[in-house]
Amino acid sequence: QKEVEQNSGPLSVPEGAIASLNCTYSDRGSQSFFWYRQYSGKSPELIMFIYSNGDKEDGRFTAQLNKASQYVSLLIRDSQPSDSATYLCAVNRQGGSEKLVFGKGTKLTVNP
Amino acid sequence: GAVVSQHPSRVICKSGTSVKIECRSLDFQATTMFWYRQFPKQSLMLMATSNEGSKATYEQGVEKDKFLINHASLTLSTLTVTSAHPEDSSFYICSARPWAIENEQFFGPGTRLTVL
Repeated sequence: QKEVEQNSGPLSVPEGAIASLNCTYSDRGSQSFFWYRQYSGKSPELIMFIYSNGDKEDGRFTAQLNKASQYVSLLIRDSQPSDSATYLCAVNRQGGSEKLVFGKGTKLTVNP
Repeated sequence: GAVVSQHPSRVICKSGTSVKIECRSLDFQATTMFWYRQFPKQSLMLMATSNEGSKATYEQGVEKDKFLINHASLTLSTLTVTSAHPEDSSFYICSARPWAIENEQFFGPGTRLTVL
């Protein structure tokens, strides 16, 4: 089982819709969870992170964490064409290490 | 703030040559820097963790004699790909963690390496 799994997509949503991106992880001791956005040919940029179970909102983005299910998600409300990118889920390894383990990413396309 | 630069952004070299990539934190001090590699349509794979003034810690399967890492100061880390081969062609990305901020890494723009 891969450490961090994401549906590779592509996921297509119309402009203005909610995009839902999912991620599961295998290490039950993982402590910190991150969502990055990566445009083609560019390096990742941090969207948000979440440490505790529940929801965390930042503008149009909401991260949801369920440690019991080992599941983290990212919701993008009012999706815009500029949100079209690959979204990477990353998880801190057990023990609070700074090392991040990345999923393969989900490619999102927002259609005008 | 929290800007990380990489140089060069793109490099093409012949097989057998060595290539040095610099990673700089421009407006903060980074106690720890990370080097990643990303092949097309793949995720970022951590190659090594670099701490200022000490030897880098390499991930399993990464040859430390091939990928030389030097973290000479709190703002600069270098990755040297020695005797590069076509299979080393990839997107190399560094990230830096500010000493005052836990659990957050700032990524450089990446270096596209092509080995002919």
